[in-house]
Amino acid sequence: GIQVEQSPPDLILQEGANSTLRCNFSDSVNNLQWFHQNPWGQLINLFYIPSGTKQNGRLSATTVATERYSLLYISSSQTTDSGVYFCAVRPVSSASKIIFGSGTRLSIRP
Amino acid sequence: EAGVAQSPRYKIIEKRQSVAFWCNPISGHATLYWYQQILGQGPKLLIQFQNNGVVDDSQLPKDRFSAERLKGVDSTLKIQPAKLEDSAVYLCASSKTGGDYGYTFGSGTRLTVV
Repeated sequence: GIQVEQSPPDLILQEGANSTLRCNFSDSVNNLQWFHQNPWGQLINLFYIPSGTKQNGRLSATTVATERYSLLYISSSQTTDSGVYFCAVRPVSSASKIIFGSGTRLSIRP
Repeated sequence: EAGVAQSPRYKIIEKRQSVAFWCNPISGHATLYWYQQILGQGPKLLIQFQNNGVVDDSQLPKDRFSAERLKGVDSTLKIQPAKLEDSAVYLCASSKTGGDYGYTFGSGTRLTVV
């Protein structure tokens, strides 16, 4: 089945720093989302981005479907950005299944 | 629009007991998913419904887990009997038909089996 790998697994930054999170996938996909899981466990949808680039405030994401990767950029990090960031994909070969990566744990220090 | 509602938020049970979780998806979302998230891991799909029919339950441990979605709206997930390794967060999500739209997740139910 498809493999979804996220890097880095852990990231510790000072408030105000910028960061780039990466998601690589091993097969063609027609659905890709980035989620932020906050310390209370809530999964918040950040971007639905099967291809192209989107921006929302300090966050932006780019998916290059032909090269099978997606990037999430966080600029001017705030402590509230802390949590786990997940990439989730739906393979073209699967009628239904959404596969999550193992996540990147981001800690922003004040 | 209202989000995906789940209850309860927390549950602690002893092993071999039974437990049920409830989910109410976003109005108009035909597709409903139950995920299991074990601490430190990404969510794993347990079952997917399209309206009130099951699309994918290949990773559902059917000897102890069951789920239903009567009338194509609310859904319940049941575990009977529970094992220690069932301790996890159970997440419900919904999307418009087919999953080619974004998912919206509920707040989850944190289950602890002791």
